[in-house]
Amino acid sequence: GAVVSQHPSWVICKSGTSVKIECRSLDFQATTMFWYRQFPKQSLMLMATSNEGSKATYEQGVEKDKFLINHASLTLSTLTVTSAHPEDSSFYICSAGFQETQYFGPGTRLLVL
Amino acid sequence: ELKVEQNPLFLSMQEGKNYTIYCNYSTTSDRLYWYRQDPGKSLESLFVLLSNGAVKQEGRLMASLDTKARLSTLHITAAVHDLSATYFCAVVISYNTDKLIFGTGTRLQVFP
Repeated sequence: GAVVSQHPSWVICKSGTSVKIECRSLDFQATTMFWYRQFPKQSLMLMATSNEGSKATYEQGVEKDKFLINHASLTLSTLTVTSAHPEDSSFYICSAGFQETQYFGPGTRLLVL
Repeated sequence: ELKVEQNPLFLSMQEGKNYTIYCNYSTTSDRLYWYRQDPGKSLESLFVLLSNGAVKQEGRLMASLDTKARLSTLHITAAVHDLSATYFCAVVISYNTDKLIFGTGTRLQVFP
């Protein structure tokens, strides 16, 4: 089956620092990947669509200068949370589509102190 | 704006009982997904429903889709403790895209 990985799985950082999260499709190519954020006991909220070789598309209310997305290859998308603050603490999940199904990475839990 | 609502939000049920989770969405869509999420984990794909009247079954779970009513159901038969998790439906936001809008989620707890 299709596998999506994320790295790191956990990250703790100080307020004001930047954090990069990687999302990889391991056994298929993905021209499009998606980034979601999930707060405790809530649903997933779509943040942005990552497009290989072009700019990401952000959902309304998501700051593109704060959440930088780079889709450098057909198997890798990165999300950088710039100048992170405690309110950015959340569970970040990426997904990629393969044969009409969206497969999700294991998620990255970010804690900003 | 596409809205996806699930009910109930929380379901506590006894082992061996049957129950149905409902997923309503507000605009037309050509694909609907059901996912399972265990605490602290990511999402596991359960079903992909691609057309009106689609029905899929896996073990004690059965999902159906009625695109005219904009309704999907996830039916649980003879629940067991291992089914305890949060279940999400997700709808493709428009044609020729894979963007998903997730439902509110249903937290299922199965007790002996």
